[in-house]
Order: sequence, then structure tokens, then C-alpha cells
Amino acid sequence: AQTVTQSQPEMSVQEAETVTLSCTYDTSESNYYLFWYKQPPSRQMILVIRQEAYKQQNATENRFSVNFQKAAKSFSLKISDSQLGDTAMYFCAFMKFSGGSNYKLTFGKGTLLTVNP
Amino acid sequence: EPEVTQTPSHQVTQMGQEVILRCVPISNHLYFYWYRQILGQKVEFLVSFYNNEISEKSEIFDDQFSVERPDGSNFTLKIRSTKLEDSAMYFCASNVGQKAEAFFGQGTRLTVV
Repeated sequence: AQTVTQSQPEMSVQEAETVTLSCTYDTSESNYYLFWYKQPPSRQMILVIRQEAYKQQNATENRFSVNFQKAAKSFSLKISDSQLGDTAMYFCAFMKFSGGSNYKLTFGKGTLLTVNP
Repeated sequence: EPEVTQTPSHQVTQMGQEVILRCVPISNHLYFYWYRQILGQKVEFLVSFYNNEISEKSEIFDDQFSVERPDGSNFTLKIRSTKLEDSAMYFCASNVGQKAEAFFGQGTRLTVV
């Protein structure tokens, strides 16, 4: 079974600054995907970024980028130029790619990020 | 942009009553899921559904729960006899399949009183 650990329950950052959220995972799988989802106060789950484990290059999406360290099983999210709208709960999630009929996500407990003006 | 839609957004029910939570996944998606999030806690997998059958279920998904895709567009979660501890946000999700991220609905907040 896979586990996902987010060791920072809460973080805060000043507007326009950079913040990094940590995530580690444990798996015996070799093929998998990692995701960061954002959950604002509306509680909608919004995909922020994804990373395929077979890719060495770190994924980027505008102000969001990841630092994927496969050997260390670490997958951190960096948010640059933080904006007030980035205030949300951020969940790290793991998806096993087995070629089967199920691509469920395993989530971490989340990090509540507050961006201060 | 296509999206997963869930109804109702909020449901209040009395303990012991049956509830049905409804979801309309994105039309070309093949894999469907229900997740649960108790307030302040992490999102937990309940069940996955593919090719008109359950492909995996968690230990939470006991005999009180069932899922159905009755008409090729809706995907429902039924709780037969609700308990207080079933109070949570329930998310429906779908994806095309392998190598694809899941898209989530906006959630149904279930309150059991």
C-alpha cells in the first residue's frame, strides 16, 4: 500500500514571496504519478500540477513547479510570486499506474497555506 | 470546459435514512470514483468503478454503501442507513484512464442529524 506524508499542517507566506510545500511518499511501485491538488474555502478540488515518475524533468505550470526526487521519494511544490488567491489547503496525491482498471488517488493530510497581504 | 457535476451541494438527513448522492462525470471518461472528506481531515478513497462494475473499494465502503451507473451518464452513491459518522464531504471524480489526472466535482456536503 502507498502512503503520502505532508509534514507541514500549516504554512504562511507574504504576498509576492515564494513558498515550498513538502510531500514524501512510500511505495514499492516503479510506475506512478504524483499530483498536487488545491482546495480553496469553497472545498472544490482543483488540480495544480502533475508529475510522471518516469520523467526526470520537473513539472512546471506558470507560478507552480515541483522538485521531484524519485530516489528520496520526495515531491515538493514551489509557489512563486504568491497571490492571495493561492490561500487554500494543498494536498499531495499518489496514483499507481498498473495498467489495470483502477487509478485511485492516495492523498496526504494536506497543508493549509495562507497568503498574507 | 467539461466538468464533473454533483447534486445536491448540501444534503441534511436523519440518522437511519437512505441518501443518494448524484454525479455526472465528464462524458468521455471511463473511470469513476467516490471519495470522502470528513471535516478537517484528509480525502479518503471509497470506491472506483469501471466497465459497469466496482474495480476496488476501501474498508470504509461497507454493505451500507453502493454505487450505480444507471443510465450511462449518472453515477450515484447510495448510503442505505446513514450514521452520524457518515457526515462528510463526498466527492465524485472521473478520469479518462491511465496517464490522466482525475477531475473532481464540487462535492456534496452530507450532514446526518
